[in-house]
Amino acid sequence: DTGVSQDPRHKITKRGQNVTFRCDPISEHNRLYWYRQTLGQGPEFLTYFQNEAQLEKSRLLSDRFSAERPKGSFSTLEIQRTEQGDSAMYLCASSLGAELRETQYFGPGTRLLVL
Amino acid sequence: AQTVTQSQPEMSVQEAETVTLSCTYDTSESDYYLFWYKQPPSRQMILVIRQEAYKQQNATENRFSVNFQKAAKSFSLKISDSQLGDAAMYFCAYRGNSNYQLIWGAGTKLIIKP
Repeated sequence: DTGVSQDPRHKITKRGQNVTFRCDPISEHNRLYWYRQTLGQGPEFLTYFQNEAQLEKSRLLSDRFSAERPKGSFSTLEIQRTEQGDSAMYLCASSLGAELRETQYFGPGTRLLVL
Repeated sequence: AQTVTQSQPEMSVQEAETVTLSCTYDTSESDYYLFWYKQPPSRQMILVIRQEAYKQQNATENRFSVNFQKAAKSFSLKISDSQLGDAAMYFCAYRGNSNYQLIWGAGTKLIIKP
């Protein structure tokens, strides 16, 4: 069990560019979550996958954001036409099981800075 | 909509002493789950302790315990025998019984004085 990993750990981009982040969950975890955390705040839910199906999306996830989880393994989060307001830490978490009480395990996050 | 409030932006405690972090929440649901997560500087979020709302007994994990007051919608975290490694941001989180997303408070920065 190597834990949840995210790549890259840091990304600096210019406004208007597209960026893509990757998350590798703990092996065999069937649920995967994306959150966004701005400085000094708690995380905000973005989206959730069960296996390869995207089951919940926050209204925070505008049309410029898209997430995929092909084959129910790793996931990617893409932001198109980045804006300065997209600067944040993007956290990925995974969990196993069928119960709401299950623990979400978090990755180290990808810190995005949009110039 | 559910909300989580942490009213203490920062707390400090002397090493080896006890500190309590506050959390209140608002919900109309009767079944839900509450969590305390720890986020050390530049490190990932780690679960500290979890409480199921249907359980009357307060959860305990070694030096960490909670005071869960369902009627008051309060969920405080007590850290006993504070250690330098406890220094971190502490987040209170809520999950309802109808979806899997966590709803988070703004966090409390805990400083441990040696």
